[in-house]
Amino acid sequence: NAGVTQTPKFRILKIGQSMTLQCAQDMNHNYMYWYRQDPGMGLKLIYYSVGAGITDKGEVPNGYNVSRSTTEDFPLRLELAAPSQTSVYFCATTQPSGNTIYFGEGSWLTVV
Amino acid sequence: AQSVTQPDIHITVSEGASLELRCNYSYGATPYLFWYVQSPGQGLQLLLKYFSGDTLVQGIKGFEAEFKRSQSSFNLRKPSVHWSDAAEYFCAVGRDSGNTPLVFGKGTRLSVIA
Repeated sequence: NAGVTQTPKFRILKIGQSMTLQCAQDMNHNYMYWYRQDPGMGLKLIYYSVGAGITDKGEVPNGYNVSRSTTEDFPLRLELAAPSQTSVYFCATTQPSGNTIYFGEGSWLTVV
Repeated sequence: AQSVTQPDIHITVSEGASLELRCNYSYGATPYLFWYVQSPGQGLQLLLKYFSGDTLVQGIKGFEAEFKRSQSSFNLRKPSVHWSDAAEYFCAVGRDSGNTPLVFGKGTRLSVIA
């Protein structure tokens, strides 16, 4: 049982490059989230989705895009990478009844 | 909107000593409260959660937390800390049982000394 799988785990980007962080879950959860974690700042919500075809902005969506074409996948896209996007990114899901959030292991992104 | 404050950025305790990590929340209705732990280079692991009922909640690894509505607090405690407890601890609040996105505190880093 893989749970929530994030790829890549580590990535270095140059300013202006684009990339996609992948998130896949095999638990058939409707709700999925992307958070970023910066030192001393806790986790900030970037985008979330309540089901396939539905996405909503979180607290810090600027510079990111998401899509949710399937229940399983929730990729996060960075179009023009900036140093301010250097962070650790976590994907998460919850069961339909809530109660517990399952986190992926994180993706460490550095923009230079 | 809900918010979470963890007043202590960094706490150092001796192994075997007791621990209390503070968490204060702001939310107009009954909150759903969580504590997560993050070891270096790892993801977040749920320690415990409070939705309703008994205000003293037991979690994994010997942790417990007490919900005090009058103080808007949900402090995490452990009677005897082990060196392996050194990690970052996050308190989080939600509007319902978990489907709406959680709001996290900024975290408290716990160091354990011999």
